[in-house]
Amino acid sequence: ILNVEQSPQSLHVQEGDSTNFTCSFPSSNFYALHWYRWETAKSPEALFVMTLNGDEKKKGRISATLNTKEGYSYLYIKGSQPEDSATYLCAFMTPGNQFYFGTGTSLTVIP
Amino acid sequence: KAGVTQTPRYLIKTRGQQVTLSCSPISGHRSVSWYQQTPGQGLQFLFEYFSETQRNKGNFPGRFSGRQFSNSRSEMNVSTLELGDSALYLCASSLQGLVADTQYFGPGTRLTVL
Repeated sequence: ILNVEQSPQSLHVQEGDSTNFTCSFPSSNFYALHWYRWETAKSPEALFVMTLNGDEKKKGRISATLNTKEGYSYLYIKGSQPEDSATYLCAFMTPGNQFYFGTGTSLTVIP
Repeated sequence: KAGVTQTPRYLIKTRGQQVTLSCSPISGHRSVSWYQQTPGQGLQFLFEYFSETQRNKGNFPGRFSGRQFSNSRSEMNVSTLELGDSALYLCASSLQGLVADTQYFGPGTRLTVL
C-alpha cells in the first residue's frame, strides 16, 4: 500500500491571504498526480493532472507544482476567498492505473 | 453534458445483506472507477472498469465486486455486508482512464449498515 501524505491536515486563513499545502508521495513508480477540490455536499472536482517533473499548472488563483524526483507537489492559492473553503485532495496514480489518495487538507477561509 | 450520476443516493441495509450500487458515466466516457470513503480514511480505490473489463483492482476482499455494461454504466456489488462497509461510495468516469485523463466524480451513494 502506497503512502500519500498531505499537510497540513487543516488550515484557517483570512480572506485575502495566500496559502499553500503539500502532498508527499513515493518518488518511484510515478505516473501522475491529480489534485481535487471537494466542497461539502458536492462531488470532488478535478483541479489539475500533473505528469512531468517540474510541471507547473495554473487555474485562476490556484496553481500547483510537481517534483517527482523528491516526491512532492505544492498547491498554492493566491488571495484566498470564502468560496475556496473546501478539502483539497491529491491522488498519486501508478502505472497500473491505481489511485492512492491523501487524506486531504481542509481549508477554511474566514471572511 | 450530463455529469456522472449514482443511484441510489442513500441506502440503509443490515449486516449480512447484499447491496448493488449503480453509476452512469458521462456520455462518451469508457472508464469507470469506484472508491470508498470511510470516516478518518482517505478515498480508497476499489476497482476500475474499461470496455466491460475490470482493468485494475484495489486491496478489498472478494465481497466487493463490480461489472460494466456495454453502455459503460457500471454496478458495484457488496455481498454479506459488515458494519465496516458503512461508507460513502463514489464512482468516477474518464474518457479512457489514461494517465492525463481527468476523472469526473459522481455525487456518491451513502451506505449505512446496521
